[in-house]
Amino acid sequence: GAVVSQHPSWVICKSGTSVKIECRSLDFQATTMFWYRQFPKQSLMLMATSNEGSKATYEQGVEKDKFLINHASLTLSTLTVTSAHPEDSSFYICSAGGWGEQYFGPGTRLTVT
Amino acid sequence: GENVEQHPSTLSVQEGDSAVIKCTYSDSASNYFPWYKQELGKGPQLIIDIRSNVGEKKDQRIAVTLNKTAKHFSLHITETQPEDSAVYFCAASMEGVRGGADGLTFGKGTHLIIQP
Repeated sequence: GAVVSQHPSWVICKSGTSVKIECRSLDFQATTMFWYRQFPKQSLMLMATSNEGSKATYEQGVEKDKFLINHASLTLSTLTVTSAHPEDSSFYICSAGGWGEQYFGPGTRLTVT
Repeated sequence: GENVEQHPSTLSVQEGDSAVIKCTYSDSASNYFPWYKQELGKGPQLIIDIRSNVGEKKDQRIAVTLNKTAKHFSLHITETQPEDSAVYFCAASMEGVRGGADGLTFGKGTHLIIQP
């Protein structure tokens, strides 16, 4: 299967600061990438769809001004959590693929203190 | 939107026995149903998938069945091994409906425990 990487794998930040998470497709080009959030012992919830060269599409209830997504190239999408708060602490996972099949990155553990 | 229900939430089986996890979906337009295995602290790993034009698919010890009429699909793992212990998620999406890939709607997950 396709390989997707994320960086960093974990990050701790102070409340009020911003954090950027990178998602890269290593061996294929992805016009569409997805960002999910997973709280402990819960399922994955789709946050937004990242489209190369255009604006991201956010799911209902996800604040687009708080979770900034940029998909500048066919292999890179970034998620920036702005003015992070403790309730934003979660496991953020990206995926890439096409026509159904999605391959997930290893995830980024964000802890906001 | 789509809603995916998954049962059971926890499943404990003896090593060598079979395990079955079941999911139902609500949107009849969904046509792509993958299953993922997630180990602690890691991203989900695609283990098998099925599309709505197929009723069953098998890959070694893993099989998935789909009943479009009843809107449910199941994961079957035979000859379970300790390394099968993990959380398994089913998911659904509408592949290609909007001209490309769609985000996945996940079930709540099943914690599979293989007892030695």
